[in-house]
Amino acid sequence: DTAVSQTPKYLVTQMGNDKSIKCEQNLGHDTMYWYKQDSKKFLKIMFSYNNKELIINETVPNRFSPKSPDKAHLNLHINSLELGDSAVYFCASSRDFNYGYTFGSGTRLTVV
Amino acid sequence: GDSVTQMEGPVTLSEEAFLTINCTYTATGYPSLFWYVQYPGEGLQLLLKATKADDKGSNKGFEATYRKETTSFHLEKGSVQVSDSAVYFCALSSGGNKLVFGAGTILRVKS
Repeated sequence: DTAVSQTPKYLVTQMGNDKSIKCEQNLGHDTMYWYKQDSKKFLKIMFSYNNKELIINETVPNRFSPKSPDKAHLNLHINSLELGDSAVYFCASSRDFNYGYTFGSGTRLTVV
Repeated sequence: GDSVTQMEGPVTLSEEAFLTINCTYTATGYPSLFWYVQYPGEGLQLLLKATKADDKGSNKGFEATYRKETTSFHLEKGSVQVSDSAVYFCALSSGGNKLVFGAGTILRVKS
C-alpha cells in the first residue's frame, strides 16, 4: 500500500557505469518529480512530468535522462556516473501544487 | 526567482521546550506554503500547509501562520519531544509546478 515507491533504496556503483532508479505511484496523481538531496540536505528539483510529458527540466547534465512510460511511473537513468552524482534521489508526485507532494523514501546513490 | 530562507541549524532543545523555526520567502504572486519533516533515513513527509494569507496550518502540535505582510511562515510547537528530532524544510509553490525548498533546519531534542 506504499504511495510512492522507489527502487533500489541503496545503489553503490563505480564511476563510468550506467544505472537506473525506478519510481511508481499509486495515488492517481498527474504530476511526478525527481529531486536531488546533497550531503548538506539541500533539495533541488531535477525534472517534472505531467501526464507523461516533460514540463520541468532544470539545469541537469544530459547524462541524466528521465523516462515516463505512463503517468504512474517516472524512472531516472544516469549515464557515465561521476563521483559528484553521489546523493539521495527522491521521487515525488502531486495532484495539484496547493496540496503539496508525496515523496518516496529515497535512493541513496554512492559512486566510488 | 522564488526562494525560501530558513534559520540555520542545528537547533538543540531540551524536551518540553518551546520551538520556533523561522522561515521567510520571496515569491511572485500568491504562493502556497508548506512545512515538511524528514526523519533520519526517510523521505520527506508533509507536516502542514497554508494556501492563503492569514491561514494557519497545524498538525501533531506544530503550527505555522501565513503572514503576507512579513512574507513569513514560522514553525512553532509548544512542547517538543525527543521523537521530534528531524530535519524541517520550509517550502513554497507558486503555480510553477515545482516546490522550492529552504535549506532545511536540523532539530535535536535532548531528554
